[in-house]
Amino acid sequence: QQQVKQSPQSLIVQKGGISIINCAYENTAFDYFPWYQQFPGKGPALLIAIRPDVSEKKEGRFTISFNKSAKQFSLHIMDSQPGDSATYFCAASYSGAGSYQLTFGKGTKLSVIP
Amino acid sequence: NAGVTQTPKFRILKIGQSMTLQCAQDMNHNYMYWYRQDPGMGLKLIYYSVGAGITDKGEVPNGYNVSRSTTEDFPLRLELAAPSQTSVYFCASSSGRTYRDTEAFFGQGTRLTVV
Repeated sequence: QQQVKQSPQSLIVQKGGISIINCAYENTAFDYFPWYQQFPGKGPALLIAIRPDVSEKKEGRFTISFNKSAKQFSLHIMDSQPGDSATYFCAASYSGAGSYQLTFGKGTKLSVIP
Repeated sequence: NAGVTQTPKFRILKIGQSMTLQCAQDMNHNYMYWYRQDPGMGLKLIYYSVGAGITDKGEVPNGYNVSRSTTEDFPLRLELAAPSQTSVYFCASSSGRTYRDTEAFFGQGTRLTVV
């Protein structure tokens, strides 16, 4: 079974600090690695995504670092704010014939305290 | 711009009852998905569809059925509800043409409790 392993399960960060969430995957056919952000009572929403041909992608305070040889990728949130408090899911997908389904990690609940 | 709309938002079922969770999208996406989310377990794929008339099982299909008669609608049917089906259900859609198009747009979820 294709898996994406995510850690930590929960994370508490002071306002202004750096939040780091890590994911590891097994299937080398994965070719798309998105991060989803979910606020309580809402559905997940795409935050940022990366393809395996680049090692880093930055959008504002959010950065994905990607290590293809180690089959790992991580989300860094710089200058973390209380409004970033949410559950974050890493995911992976591959463009195999027939479907483009996402395989999700188990999620990280981030709490940013003032 | 509605996106993905799920109904109902909340539902309590008795063991053995049946119900249909509705999902509709207005983005003309070919790909639609049903996920369930349990605490600490992430999202698990129940069923997906790559177009009208075409559906396939995901990781946890037992106890569920789907149909896709139109591009817009993808209802999920629960037959003989069991406590193990207590969960939050999310419907999603994507254009799914290439890996760059696999952004999935999610609905707000249906919280189902089976008692």
